[in-house]
Amino acid sequence: DTGVSQDPRHKITKRGQNVTFRCDPISEHNRLYWYRQTLGQGPEFLTYFQNEAQLEKSRLLSDRFSAERPKGSFSTLEIQRTEQGDSAMYLCASSPGLAGINEQFFGPGTRLTVL
Amino acid sequence: AQTVTQSQPEMSVQEAETVTLSCTYDTSESDYYLFWYKQPPSRQMILVIRQEAYKQQNATENRFSVNFQKAAKSFSLKISDSQLGDAAMYFCAYRTSTGTASKLTFGTGTRLQVTL
Repeated sequence: DTGVSQDPRHKITKRGQNVTFRCDPISEHNRLYWYRQTLGQGPEFLTYFQNEAQLEKSRLLSDRFSAERPKGSFSTLEIQRTEQGDSAMYLCASSPGLAGINEQFFGPGTRLTVL
Repeated sequence: AQTVTQSQPEMSVQEAETVTLSCTYDTSESDYYLFWYKQPPSRQMILVIRQEAYKQQNATENRFSVNFQKAAKSFSLKISDSQLGDAAMYFCAYRTSTGTASKLTFGTGTRLQVTL
């Protein structure tokens, strides 16, 4: 296991279509995060899991967005009825569930383009 | 809500020289963590350095060091002996240390160019 992986790396879709992204965290990391990064901006937090429990959701996560981590391992992020404003890089990160500073390790991201 | 501000959209440094990237933040908390992340072009974000707010000593990692001024809510990154591989976007980030909340709040980033 060499790090956080994300699939696909790039996704082009038409407005109105649904898309699903997958994130595989580092083994034994029980915390998993999703962020969104638009051009020229820093990543913005979307949601966070500890094991299979979704503990926090940003107001950025509209009703069209849903995230799951069914077995506490990989996670999926689904966007329904995509809009052009959803075009962004979607980043996944994981960290150990330990007390303290806990570095978050980031994946390479999925770049979404909505036409 | 916490905010992180990076006021330098772009910086340039010559190879082997030293550069300082600025970051300020706003919080009402007394204990928290601060980070600098590096995002090279088309590559994933990696942690450069981190600082725990309760520690007065500034963190250092090889050529990277920080100047943490808690009262001023300032957290600047100094890169010494700059190398071509240091060229990247640099993001300052804040994280609370309380409760289960673990999200990072990022600044808008500083693009660092390294010239020969």
